[in-house]
Amino acid sequence: SQKIEQNSEALNIQEGKTATLTCNYTNYSPAYLQWYRQDPGRGPVFLLLIRENEKEKRKERLKVTFDTTLKQSLFHITASQPADSATYLCALDMSPYKYIFGTGTRLKVLA
Amino acid sequence: SAVISQKPSRDICQRGTSLTIQCQVDSQVTMMFWYRQQPGQSLTLIATANQGSEATYESGFVIDKFPISRPNLTFSTLTVSNMSPEDSSIYLCSVVWGQGRQDTQYFGPGTRLTVL
Repeated sequence: SQKIEQNSEALNIQEGKTATLTCNYTNYSPAYLQWYRQDPGRGPVFLLLIRENEKEKRKERLKVTFDTTLKQSLFHITASQPADSATYLCALDMSPYKYIFGTGTRLKVLA
Repeated sequence: SAVISQKPSRDICQRGTSLTIQCQVDSQVTMMFWYRQQPGQSLTLIATANQGSEATYESGFVIDKFPISRPNLTFSTLTVSNMSPEDSSIYLCSVVWGQGRQDTQYFGPGTRLTVL
């Protein structure tokens, strides 16, 4: 079965640095991969989607890469701010409208 | 974009009882989804609810335990029946906004359920 791995340990970085989060998956080759942000007590918020034929996608300070050979996506936040502190989830589409989610990585940006 | 609200935001229930969670969307959408997020776990899809048809349940979830209603294009309910402590979780509804597989998925704020 499909398995998604995100670093379960919290990532602490200094303000201004670049945060890099990893999402690894096995077996299935998704057509799309999505990244979400989740704050405590709230539902996930969509951030970025990247297609299998795209190497990289950017949105403001966010950058996502997608390596289908390594079965890995990297999520970067440049010039990180304390407000970026949250849990970040990756999700793969198994079929139209069916996504499986990773457990997320908690990011803490220290002022 | 779509704005989603859920009621209740949280509840504490006794074993053996049932709780109905409401999900309201500010726009008409064809498909609505119900997820469960257990402590420290990822989101797991429970079922897909389309207006005018029976909900489609994922493996491990059954209608008797999680009956779903979808009376119109902006509203859905999920009932957690005959609850046990293992049902303690956050329940989230979501909608997909747009067309095709590259749609944006919007989530409600979630309902935090604790079963004693």
